[in-house]
Amino acid sequence: AQTVTQSQPEMSVQEAETVTLSCTYDTSENNYYLFWYKQPPSRQMILVIRQEAYKQQNATENRFSVNFQKAAKSFSLKISDSQLGDTAMYFCAFMKPFSEGNMLTFGGGTRLMVKP
Amino acid sequence: NAGVTQTPKFRVLKTGQSMTLLCAQDMNHEYMYWYRQDPGMGLRLIHYSVGEGTTAKGEVPDGYNVSRLKKQNFLLGLESAAPSQTSVYFCASSSPPGGHWNYGYTFGSGTRLTVV
Repeated sequence: AQTVTQSQPEMSVQEAETVTLSCTYDTSENNYYLFWYKQPPSRQMILVIRQEAYKQQNATENRFSVNFQKAAKSFSLKISDSQLGDTAMYFCAFMKPFSEGNMLTFGGGTRLMVKP
Repeated sequence: NAGVTQTPKFRVLKTGQSMTLLCAQDMNHEYMYWYRQDPGMGLRLIHYSVGEGTTAKGEVPDGYNVSRLKKQNFLLGLESAAPSQTSVYFCASSSPPGGHWNYGYTFGSGTRLTVV
């Protein structure tokens, strides 16, 4: 079974600065997807970014980018120019596609506070 | 708006009572999931379905049952509620994984269940 670990339960950052959230995972698979989800106080789960393991290029979505290190099994999320609306829980998740219903395995989450 | 709708949003049960959580999606997704969220543990998969009439166990299925009689609906039942089932429950749906740029789960807004 795959495991996902987020070693930072809580983090804070000043508005407009950059912050990096860490995620490591354990798998023997070669083909998989990795995700970051955001959960603001509204409780809604929002997809932030996705990375396919076969792609060497790191995924980027506006102010959000990842550092995917396949050999090290590391998948960190960088948020640039942090905004107050980025305050949320962030979850890293692993999926082996076309297996076990494409289930997501989540890490325990990192609570990010953006300070004005 | 298209999406995943969960009902109810809040519920308090007494130990031993039963209830059903309803999840409905209007995106014609094949895959549907029920997760529970507990502090520090991220989201854990309870049951999932890969199509109408099919269900399968996830990581934490004990004490729960599910049914998917129609493609758009996925029901989660608690036959005899226990305090350990106090949690926030999320339903999600997805299409098959692939190269579409926005692949990911669509989540409902969650149900906060308290068992006293």
